[in-house]
Amino acid sequence: GDSVTQTEGLVTLTEGLPVMLNCTYQSTYSPFLFWYVQHLNEAPKLLLKSFTDNKRPEHQGFHATLHKSSSSFHLQKSSAQLSDSALYYCALSASSGSWQLIFGSGTQLTVMP
Amino acid sequence: EAAVTQSPRNKVTVTGGNVTLSCRQTNSHNYMYWYRQDTGHGLRLIHYSYGAGNLQIGDVPDGYKATRTTQEDFFLLLELASPSQTSLYFCASSDAWGAGERLFFGHGTKLSVL
Repeated sequence: GDSVTQTEGLVTLTEGLPVMLNCTYQSTYSPFLFWYVQHLNEAPKLLLKSFTDNKRPEHQGFHATLHKSSSSFHLQKSSAQLSDSALYYCALSASSGSWQLIFGSGTQLTVMP
Repeated sequence: EAAVTQSPRNKVTVTGGNVTLSCRQTNSHNYMYWYRQDTGHGLRLIHYSYGAGNLQIGDVPDGYKATRTTQEDFFLLLELASPSQTSLYFCASSDAWGAGERLFFGHGTKLSVL
């Protein structure tokens, strides 16, 4: 079945350094990929969503590129800010899974001063 | 921004206890969902519904019942709570079910079963 893998449970960075959170997936058909972000004591909310036309989605300085050849949708940002500290979920939705949204296990990002 | 409200925010019960978690959305969304969040497992779907009176089983339904009384209200019921059900529960809603649909989440209910 469809699945999402986030290999890093915890990532700690110093402010100003680049961010890359890994996300790989398995799906029989071309899926939609998402990044959701959850700040402490807040609700998860959508950060980015892949486009069908291969455009690179961007929001709040974050971007992610869907690479079908490597089945990846890594989240990147050029310079981490303290406010980026949060739990990040990669998720996919595909026809092979009846379009159900399937989440990865999440990556906790902590940005230190 | 879509609004999803959960109550209570925190709940403590004992093993074997009866618990009801409530969720209301005011976005006129058709779909509502209950997830549980556990470290190392991410968000896992318990039940979902596409309208009043409808209920669909998710990936981890054992020990949970749910009921959608109106388009706005979706309840999660734990009739014989167990310590394994200690978790953070999120309700979510979406306008449709399908490719690329965005979910709107509530702030969660932290449940502790002693």
